[in-house]
Amino acid sequence: EVQLVESGGASVMPGGSLRLSCVTSGFAFGNTWMGWVRQAPGKGLQWVGRIKGRADGGTVDYAEPVRGRVTISRDDSKNTLYLQMDSLKTEDSGLYYCTTGSYDHWGQGTLVAVSA
Amino acid sequence: SYDLTQPSSVSVSPGQTARITCSGDVLAKKYARWLQQKPGQAPVLIIYKDTERPSGIPERFSGSSSGTSVTLTISGAQVEDEADYYCYSAADNIGVFGGGTKLTVL
Repeated sequence: EVQLVESGGASVMPGGSLRLSCVTSGFAFGNTWMGWVRQAPGKGLQWVGRIKGRADGGTVDYAEPVRGRVTISRDDSKNTLYLQMDSLKTEDSGLYYCTTGSYDHWGQGTLVAVSA
Repeated sequence: SYDLTQPSSVSVSPGQTARITCSGDVLAKKYARWLQQKPGQAPVLIIYKDTERPSGIPERFSGSSSGTSVTLTISGAQVEDEADYYCYSAADNIGVFGGGTKLTVL
């Protein structure tokens, strides 16, 4: 059974940092493209970024609103995906989902709240 | 950047056919996916490569493509199909979701 479990969400002040984790199981993580999608309260889905699998070079791409402030990485030895978020803004608040690159598997999300 | 445009809402009666469109220039060159999201739940992939249905997704869900738009069709919509639906595509290594369509079945 495929599982994706996010953690690390918290309440932080603007300008702060957070590191989200997504522990996975049930599939060949190392060669699977992975991504992060967020959803502000009551709003739609927003693509955050994606990291390719090892065989495809592990390159990363980011959405324009977060580029330069977030870093997606992976530890294939731990089957874990990460999202490092710095210089957080109030508009970064929302539920952050970890997903496979084909969007056929999703976690349940971890909540980030950025406010003064 | 590029955009995908969906209607904000669609309403049908149970048993009727619901159609949700998604339009954007990128769709002329790239495949689309459709995801269903029910309240309090994570999204579920229901269509990929414009027309393909993952295993376990009911046959009443189908997708089609024409030019710069794609359409999700729910034939014989059921009350349990009431949800938000999002189209998705990617170009130049950047992904984008449509704004979402709230489907009401009543």
